[in-house]
Amino acid sequence: AQKVTQAQTEISVVEKEDVTLDCVYETRDTTYYLFWYKQPPSGELVFLIRRNSFDEQNEISGRYSWNFQKSTSSFNFTITASQVVDSAVYFCALSVGPTGGFKTIFGAGTRLFVKA
Amino acid sequence: NAGVTQTPKFQVLKTGQSMTLQCAQDMNHEYMSWYRQDPGMGLRLIHYSVGAGITDQGEVPNGYNVSRSTTEDFPLRLLSAAPSQTSVYFCASSYSRANEQFFGPGTRLTVL
Repeated sequence: AQKVTQAQTEISVVEKEDVTLDCVYETRDTTYYLFWYKQPPSGELVFLIRRNSFDEQNEISGRYSWNFQKSTSSFNFTITASQVVDSAVYFCALSVGPTGGFKTIFGAGTRLFVKA
Repeated sequence: NAGVTQTPKFQVLKTGQSMTLQCAQDMNHEYMSWYRQDPGMGLRLIHYSVGAGITDQGEVPNGYNVSRSTTEDFPLRLLSAAPSQTSVYFCASSYSRANEQFFGPGTRLTVL
């Protein structure tokens, strides 16, 4: 079965703190894709990053970085020096192949509050 | 490009009524999906389609029907609305399952 677990329901930090959002996934497919999306208070869903199962390189984009580890089936997301504008719900998603029906499923999301 | 459009933005139904949520995309994407978002439960996949004429069930398909007669359109039909279907519904499209999804603005549905 395929599954995405975001164990942190809500996180609250003070501006300028670093924060890591956890994502653990399950799939039997050898080829799969992982994504992070952001949903700000306005409600739209915004794509942040994509990773395929063969690319374990970590990625940094400004204050955002992602750590993909196949050994632990994790794809964690770190925000460095958080800002109030980072307050949002963050979703991790998994796109699976033949054993999972070629669909994309999401975790329950982590709500991040960044206080000034 | 308009991207992914959804209509209506808001809808109130009475229990037992039926309706269709419309979704259209103008990006020539093959892959389209319907999700519902409920507090604390994230986005749950209702139905999806990997191309015109091909649809499949997601995690929570009961009470919903879909069809995909064209690449552009992917309507979601509620056959007999129930209060448990009160939710925000998002339609999404992507070039393939390997690519990021583009989401519509959502439809907020209330079933009384």
